[in-house]
Amino acid sequence: AQKITQTQPGMFVQEKEAVTLDCTYDTSDPSYGLFWYKQPSSGEMIFLIYQGSYDQQNATEGRYSLNFQKARKSANLVISASQLGDSAMYFCAMRESPASNDYKLSFGAGTTVTVRA
Amino acid sequence: GAGVSQSPSNKVTEKGKDVELRCDPISGHTALYWYRQSLGQGLEFLIYFQGNSAPDKSGLPSDRFSAERTGGSVSTLTIQRTQQEDSAVYLCASSHQWGQGPDTQYFGPGTRLTVL
Repeated sequence: AQKITQTQPGMFVQEKEAVTLDCTYDTSDPSYGLFWYKQPSSGEMIFLIYQGSYDQQNATEGRYSLNFQKARKSANLVISASQLGDSAMYFCAMRESPASNDYKLSFGAGTTVTVRA
Repeated sequence: GAGVSQSPSNKVTEKGKDVELRCDPISGHTALYWYRQSLGQGLEFLIYFQGNSAPDKSGLPSDRFSAERTGGSVSTLTIQRTQQEDSAVYLCASSHQWGQGPDTQYFGPGTRLTVL
């Protein structure tokens, strides 16, 4: 079963506007971590932001914030004040607890963001 | 500090040849992971190392794939008798061990493998 679902294959956003990238996840593990990575055309996977399942507050990191809705199992990424350099593929990923003997990241299919001037 | 490094950055090989891909993790990271990214398949987990041991090899697609890690540092992913379907970008990541620090996985730049 798909653990991470990203339903938006591609999005366009105007420079300086905000954009929300959707991510839903599926796990029965009470302890898990959610991550967002950015992959520009150069190919490198760049870590953006992390949200732990027990974190009470939504994570923020500069222009990135994570809208964590635990009951709905969603972890949407919000990029504020978009810049041309934000054009990239964005991946949502989940890591379950070692108690489940699963150390890997499970990735969604990704969302391509194109920022227009 | 230095990030994860991988070599070579690009590798073109002929079908049937063996290839070795190298990963040098972030200093102090005891956990190391290999993933594969190919068109149409997304990002696939291959293998996880904790120190020199590999408790999770569940993602290796066939017995042509093997990996080792020595000295708790550098890892080598070996693909024997390469096939065209092995063409992909091979990504390595490292992290602290769960419970010993933030376990965010940091990725290297990848090795792009093309099998002709």
